[in-house]
Amino acid sequence: QVQLVQSGAEVKKSGDSVSLSCKASGYTFTRYSIHWLRQAPGQSLEWLGWINTGNGTTKYSGKFQGRVTITRVTSAATSYMQLTSLTAEDTAVYYCLSPYVHWGQGTPVTVS
Amino acid sequence: NFMLTQPPSVSESPGKAVTISCTGSGGSIDTNFIQWYRQRPGSAPTTVIYEDDQRPSGVPDRFSASIDSSSNSAFLTISPLKSEDEAAYYCQSYDATSSWVFGGGTNLTVL
Repeated sequence: QVQLVQSGAEVKKSGDSVSLSCKASGYTFTRYSIHWLRQAPGQSLEWLGWINTGNGTTKYSGKFQGRVTITRVTSAATSYMQLTSLTAEDTAVYYCLSPYVHWGQGTPVTVS
Repeated sequence: NFMLTQPPSVSESPGKAVTISCTGSGGSIDTNFIQWYRQRPGSAPTTVIYEDDQRPSGVPDRFSASIDSSSNSAFLTISPLKSEDEAAYYCQSYDATSSWVFGGGTNLTVL
């Protein structure tokens, strides 16, 4: 069955960068895109961007442009999301999603 | 900028029908697909409707969705309601740059 398994929780300091991973299984990785979203405590979902896992092209939310980088390693069926210049406002659970049905379990990121 | 607005909360009794609205502003709701996600407390979201009215495998046909262009709104209907449906529900679509846009979420309470 299709699974997206994300890396574990992270604790960072302001100004740090964080890199999260999302490993796909149960389907041909390059067939479907991967999107990255986040949810701050008590808030709605927020979209960071996506990657075409076939050719590697990306699109980012204007809010995060310049701070977010989404990559993939096809041989590992894994997508990565790096967010730089962290502040307390980046404290959230980060999710990967293969549109529209398959979600990762989420990775909590705490910035202090 | 295209925005989606949902009521913060709705409530209804088991066995009844409940409808959650998602109203677009800054653009037409029927320009792009609408998705609906459910999130139980402490859990990751799951998808209950995608591409306007499609149910993923495993989502019961108690869940249905529609779009009304005249009110520029999308609707998620759950009927008959069960206690397990208590959750937050989010609608999602796209803006003019194809970036994803989410509604603020609606907390459904099953009385």
